[in-house]
Amino acid sequence: GAVVSQHPSWVICKSGTSVKIECRSLDFQATTMFWYRQFPKQSLMLMATSNEGSKATYEQGVEKDKFLINHASLTLSTLTVTSAHPEDSSFYICSARRGGDEQFFGPGTRLTVL
Amino acid sequence: AQSVAQPEDQVNVAEGNPLTVKCTYSVSGNPYLFWYVQYPNRGLQFLLKYITGDNLVKGSYGFEAEFNKSQTSFHLKKPSALVSDSALYFCAVRDPYNFNKFYFGSGTKLNVKP
Repeated sequence: GAVVSQHPSWVICKSGTSVKIECRSLDFQATTMFWYRQFPKQSLMLMATSNEGSKATYEQGVEKDKFLINHASLTLSTLTVTSAHPEDSSFYICSARRGGDEQFFGPGTRLTVL
Repeated sequence: AQSVAQPEDQVNVAEGNPLTVKCTYSVSGNPYLFWYVQYPNRGLQFLLKYITGDNLVKGSYGFEAEFNKSQTSFHLKKPSALVSDSALYFCAVRDPYNFNKFYFGSGTKLNVKP
């Protein structure tokens, strides 16, 4: 149990376009989901905390208008990278909290902006 | 501020030998410590956690970690390494004042050679 999926697993887009990444908890309901960004050979950086039915809480330095987060249901959160640029290229990972201490992580989405 | 440090970018060990991946932490309040493993292009998988209780914590795949309060360390160990253990390992601490927030170390790449 406690499986989290992400779609797509990778995406290549042109500069200036928007990209949507989905995060789903497949076998549990997640009131809270998290979006991380991971640069090559670096750790995960928390971007935002997504709560079902309310606005996301963004970490300092993360642009809200750039990284739009929607948590429309207890099993789905989406991250939209708007007007993507090459510097947005990264590995984006979501996680979901079922309750308790653990976060269950998705497999990640590799975004490449040309 | 909460933080974890993983002093080794890479650890090399021969199959069958014991392995240790180091982690030290800095936290105000009681530490809630975690170890995760990441395989290439995959999300993080939970290995084990320390919340309270015994200093030696046993986790998945034969891994264990020892919590040492005086040395503020939480080293990951395994008595006998397998080639399949080769991966990226992250230590993390949960913010004691915000249970949604995890701080990850920079990661240690474990290479187990046959």
